[in-house]
Amino acid sequence: DVKVTQSSRYLVKRTGEKVFLECVQDMDHENMFWYRQDPGLGLRLIYFSYDVKMKEKGDIPEGYSVSREKKERFSLILESASTNQTSMYLCASSARQGPEKLFFGSGTQLSVL
Amino acid sequence: DQQVKQNSPSLSVQEGRISILNCDYTNSMFDYFLWYKKYPAEGPTFLISISSIKDKNEDGRFTVFLNKSAKHLSLHIVPSQPGDSAVYFCAAGAGSGTYKYIFGTGTRLKVLA
Repeated sequence: DVKVTQSSRYLVKRTGEKVFLECVQDMDHENMFWYRQDPGLGLRLIYFSYDVKMKEKGDIPEGYSVSREKKERFSLILESASTNQTSMYLCASSARQGPEKLFFGSGTQLSVL
Repeated sequence: DQQVKQNSPSLSVQEGRISILNCDYTNSMFDYFLWYKKYPAEGPTFLISISSIKDKNEDGRFTVFLNKSAKHLSLHIVPSQPGDSAVYFCAAGAGSGTYKYIFGTGTRLKVLA
């Protein structure tokens, strides 16, 4: 089974802090994604990566950046955390190009105080 | 503008009966659709998918129907079980290369024993 592991289940940070969310997948998937889930808004795509060092903006990239230095690892960075970035963050991967299902991690609930 | 809509935020069904969850989309370019189930504090888990070249796909108790002319899909769960109580998301994707999925806002299903 594919495993997508997010390093933290819960995080509490202060406004203005730089925050790193880490995600690792163990199935050599080409694509990795970061979504956030908010009540009433569903899952919204922040960034995705289709190869090492390659990234593209999703629908809500403002205030975020990403890094993919190795194929199995995709990091989401909040450069200066703000309270409106309090959310559930979900990492996902998919095997290859074309219509593929997403495999999700367990999520990181981030609270920015 | 919400490209994928789940207009029913919640649904209650008696155990053993059919659950029908609906999803509408606006972009006729979408050609692959996914359904996910999500429990609180967990990542979404894949349920079933359908390609636009089909109008039905079945997997055990789960069947997805696609009506392209109406830009509508539905997930049928028969028979419903208490363990099916969760939030259900539909997602739609399109394009060449990496498929990026747009998710609906979710429907909370409660199956009553």
